[in-house]
Amino acid sequence: QSALTQPASVSGSPGQSITISCTETSSDIQNYNYVSWYQQHPGKAPKLMIYDVSKRPSGVSNRFSGSKSDNTASLTISGLQAEDEADYYCSSYTSNSPVKFGGGTKLTVL
Amino acid sequence: QVQLVQSGAEMKKPGASVKVSCKASGYSFTSFYVHWVRQAPGQGLEWMGIINPTGGSTTYAQKFQGRVTMTRDTSTSTVYMQLNSLTSEDTAVYYCARDLGRVHFDYWGQGTLVTVSS
Repeated sequence: QSALTQPASVSGSPGQSITISCTETSSDIQNYNYVSWYQQHPGKAPKLMIYDVSKRPSGVSNRFSGSKSDNTASLTISGLQAEDEADYYCSSYTSNSPVKFGGGTKLTVL
Repeated sequence: QVQLVQSGAEMKKPGASVKVSCKASGYSFTSFYVHWVRQAPGQGLEWMGIINPTGGSTTYAQKFQGRVTMTRDTSTSTVYMQLNSLTSEDTAVYYCARDLGRVHFDYWGQGTLVTVSS
C-alpha cells in the first residue's frame, strides 16, 4: 500500500511561516481532493485544521492554509505562534482503503 | 454541541479482548459515518475501520480484519469497537471520530487508553 511521507520535524520562529509537505507514492492525492490536516497537542485528540485540500473548518485560524501539487499536499502556517507547536498529520482518501495517514511532523516554535 | 464520549481506560492481558464504546450526542447519529483510529505510544495515527450507523455496515483495515468488530446501537447513539486476541502491540490510545464526509474527521472522542500487559 502506498504511503504518505511527511518530514519528521520542522521548526520556525514566532512570526515566521513554515510549510509541511505530505508526499504520496501512488496517485490518490493527485486524483482526489480529499486531503486533510490534523493538529495534535500532547495528550489530546487530533483536531481538524484543513479538509478538501484547502478548506478551513469554522473556528480555525486563517493562518493555516492547504494546497496540493501533483502527488504532494502542503500545510502552511503563517505568523507562527507558540501555541502552534504540536504534531501535524496529513491524511488522504485512498482507492484501496478509505483513508491513510502520514507519519506525522513535529513542529517546534523556537 | 457535538460530542463523542468514549469509555474509560482498560488494562488487558495478552490474548484477551477489549470493547470500547463511543457515545455520540449533539447531532443526528445516523447522518454521519464513524471511524476508529488508534495511536500507539509515541507513534502516529493508524486507521482501523469505519461503521455506517444507519445500517451498521463496516469496512475494516486489512491489518485488523478477522480481529476487530465494530457495531452500533442506534437507541443509545453509541458505536463500539471490539478488538480480540490482544498483544502488547495493541497497547494504544483508541479514538472514535465522526466523518464530515470524504473521510475528513471533524469531531473526535477523547481517546481510550488500552494497555495490554501480562
